[in-house]
Formats: sequence, structure tokens, C-alpha cells
Amino acid sequence: ETGVTQTPRHLVMGMTNKKSLKCEQHLGHNAMYWYKQSAKKPLELMFVYSLEERVENNSVPSRFSPECPNSSHLFLHLHTLQPEDSALYLCASSQGITSGTQEQFFGPGTRLTVL
Amino acid sequence: GQNIDQPTEMTATEGAIVQINCTYQTSGFNGLFWYQQHAGEAPTFLSYNVLDGLEEKGRFSSFLSRSKGYSYLLLKELQMKDSASYLCAVREANAGKSTFGDGTTLTVKP
Repeated sequence: ETGVTQTPRHLVMGMTNKKSLKCEQHLGHNAMYWYKQSAKKPLELMFVYSLEERVENNSVPSRFSPECPNSSHLFLHLHTLQPEDSALYLCASSQGITSGTQEQFFGPGTRLTVL
Repeated sequence: GQNIDQPTEMTATEGAIVQINCTYQTSGFNGLFWYQQHAGEAPTFLSYNVLDGLEEKGRFSSFLSRSKGYSYLLLKELQMKDSASYLCAVREANAGKSTFGDGTTLTVKP
């Protein structure tokens, strides 16, 4: 595996379900990110982790719960979601979050549909 | 916070040159990124500017003026495969947080 991978690629869930999205980066990076991309809206930053520590929580509802067990893995735990949470959830990683280019490498995303 | 503006849609002809503008208003600035996103795919990094001036990378160039809060992405010798959404993103001074614009959907026609 190379780059940033995400599973599952597609997910349909009911509002009472609990599910988790998984992201793995194979780039040796120290920072990982979760973004939400809805139709007709810009990419919205949800969470940032640097060296497994959360450094940014962008006013995200508590029904989204991130977990970063190590610098290569990032999870997004979902529970009691709403239909408006249906979107493409993108994971990204970068070398770090401080100086330098720090371009982000994105995974293919998980297309989430909440019924 | 950040406010980022870029045109919603642009159309250009194969072989031509197109310039996609991005203006921003920031409470802090630590660099500006351009990403390309094809429909149904993840964004991919194109360029990064943190100092004023032009950065050239093959057919793509990006310009930044920090005093004007302005950047543009210049695409030369357009190809059909350049049809995509182009995202302007500004990284805030507090590291880690980047705010993205709505994206400009570019359609390249024969």
C-alpha cells in the first residue's frame, strides 16, 4: 500500500447505527487530518492530529469522535448521525504542521450516506 | 478566521492559457496552497506560495501577493485532462489549520 488509504470507500448507515471510518498513511508523516466535503460546499476541516495529539477541533458535533492510536492511523467514530452528515469524508496527512511546505496528501475518501 | 473567494466556474479551450484567481482575508497567514480535484477523486497538491512572487512548475504556475491578499493559478497549454476543480487553501498562522475556498470548476473544451 502506498500513500493514504481509507476504508470503507462507501458507507450507508441509519441514524441509530455506530460505525467507524479508518485512515492509514504509509508516508511516515506526523500529522493527520479529517475533512468533510459536502456538495456545493468547500472542504471543511474537522480535526487535526500532530504526533498523535489532537491540535485542532473545528467545532465538530460530538457525534463525530476521532481517535489517533499512532502516527500512521486515524479513525473517525460515528454515532447517532443525521441525514445532513451525508458527505465525502477525506483523510489527509502531512509531514508536520509547522514550518515548510507541509502539503497534504489526501486519501480517496469515504462516501457516507445517512438514512 | 479566513474568507476565501474564487470564481465558481471557468471555461477555456484546449491549448489556451487560463488564470484562476483567489482572494483571501485572514487573521493570520502561513502559506497558500492550490490543489486539483477531479470529479469523484481526492484533491492533489499543485503548488505552495508563502513569499510574494511566482512559482513555476511545468505547465502550472502560482503567484502570490501577500499585501493584496491575492493569488492566482496559471495553467498553460491546456489539456482536456485539466478539467477539474481547483481549490485555493490558506494556512493560518497557528499551524495545522488550512481553510479551503469553494473551488473553481474548470471545463476545458476542444
